[in-house]
Amino acid sequence: DAGITQSPRYKITETGRQVTLMCHQTWSHSYMFWYRQDLGHGLRLIYYSAAADITDKGEVPDGYVVSRSKTENFPLTLESATRSQTSVYFCASSDLAGITDTQYFGPGTRLTVL
Amino acid sequence: QQQVKQSPQSLIVQKGGIPIINCAYENTAFDYFPWYQQFPGKGPALLIAIRPDVSEKKEGRFTISFNKSAKQFSLHIMDSQPGDSATYFCAASIFQGAQKLVFGQGTRLTINP
Repeated sequence: DAGITQSPRYKITETGRQVTLMCHQTWSHSYMFWYRQDLGHGLRLIYYSAAADITDKGEVPDGYVVSRSKTENFPLTLESATRSQTSVYFCASSDLAGITDTQYFGPGTRLTVL
Repeated sequence: QQQVKQSPQSLIVQKGGIPIINCAYENTAFDYFPWYQQFPGKGPALLIAIRPDVSEKKEGRFTISFNKSAKQFSLHIMDSQPGDSATYFCAASIFQGAQKLVFGQGTRLTINP
């Protein structure tokens, strides 16, 4: 019963490098989300996906790319990392397309861009 | 319009006290208001949630009070315990293709024994 996992848990990279954060869920949930958490801002939605091959932008999508070729995986790529992308990144998933559906969060990836 | 403002940023309460965390929103299209609890090194987890047609919801020691006309809602924790020490986030959502959560800034709550 793994639930939702993220890897790596910690990552240090340099400005300009490409980095991919992985998210995997074992529930076969339709919806998956990426958030970033910064002090003073709470969590902000980066991208979401309603199903395999269906993705859309959230509140802060610039500088990020997502894909979803399989239902269980939702990787987030920073094509050219910047210091402002230093943050804690959370992946979440939810099952149904409803107003009150619970989003289940992974443990997070702490990314530092030097 | 899409912001949710949360206060206070931090709160220290003695065991058994009743911490209260407040949130305010502007967008009347929001139709779901969850609270998330986050422990250090963990992801947020849903604690309790309310729809705007209800003024209060209780689950165990946790209560949401909702004031639709004032566009405010709050979390009360009865008989608070040291194990309740965590960061709490309010959120509001609109369902537009998916449940899009807009989070408040978070409140770091400490319950002293």
